[in-house]
Amino acid sequence: GAVVSQHPSWVICKSGTSVKIECRSLDFQATTMFWYRQFPKQSLMLMATSNEGSKATYEQGVEKDKFLINHASLTLSTLTVTSAHPEDSSFYICSARRTGSSGANVLTFGAGSRLTVL
Amino acid sequence: QKEVEQDPGPLSVPEGAIVSLNCTYSNSAFQYFMWYRQYSRKGPELLMYTYSSGNKEDGRFTAQVDKSSKYISLFIRDSQPSDSATYLCAMSEGSGYSTLTFGKGTMLLVSP
Repeated sequence: GAVVSQHPSWVICKSGTSVKIECRSLDFQATTMFWYRQFPKQSLMLMATSNEGSKATYEQGVEKDKFLINHASLTLSTLTVTSAHPEDSSFYICSARRTGSSGANVLTFGAGSRLTVL
Repeated sequence: QKEVEQDPGPLSVPEGAIVSLNCTYSNSAFQYFMWYRQYSRKGPELLMYTYSSGNKEDGRFTAQVDKSSKYISLFIRDSQPSDSATYLCAMSEGSGYSTLTFGKGTMLLVSP
């Protein structure tokens, strides 16, 4: 089955540092990947849509200069949280879109990355 | 009013019980409805995917969509402790997922 690998699964960093999270589609090509943020007991909030070879589309209220997204290949998208602060501590989840056997779009999620900023 | 409402629970049931999970929504343009299961500290896993109104069954899971009432349900028969997880409903207007809107999720606890 389709697998999306996300790394690291857990990262702790000091305030002011930058953190990069990788999202890889292991056995399929994903022209589109999505980045979500999830706070405890809250729903997934879409941060941005990442398209291979072009600039990401950010949702309203998401700072594009703080959350840098790069989708340089059909199997890899990265999210860099720049100058992280404690309020950026959250669970970040990526997903990749592919076409299923029925022709419908299917979304596969990564396992998520828990960021703790001290 | 939020676009998608989902009772956060927790919902505690004994093993073997029938579980009913529900979401209501306000956007009548939603046409694609999904249920995801999320174990603690893991990403969501797609359980059921339905288009428009009706029922869909997959093993112990049945998804129902009532667009007239803007109400969707997920039923789990013969619940197992391994079903203990958070269940998220999600919906979108189109099939492209870019407008996917999630509920907050309902935590389900199935005790042996």
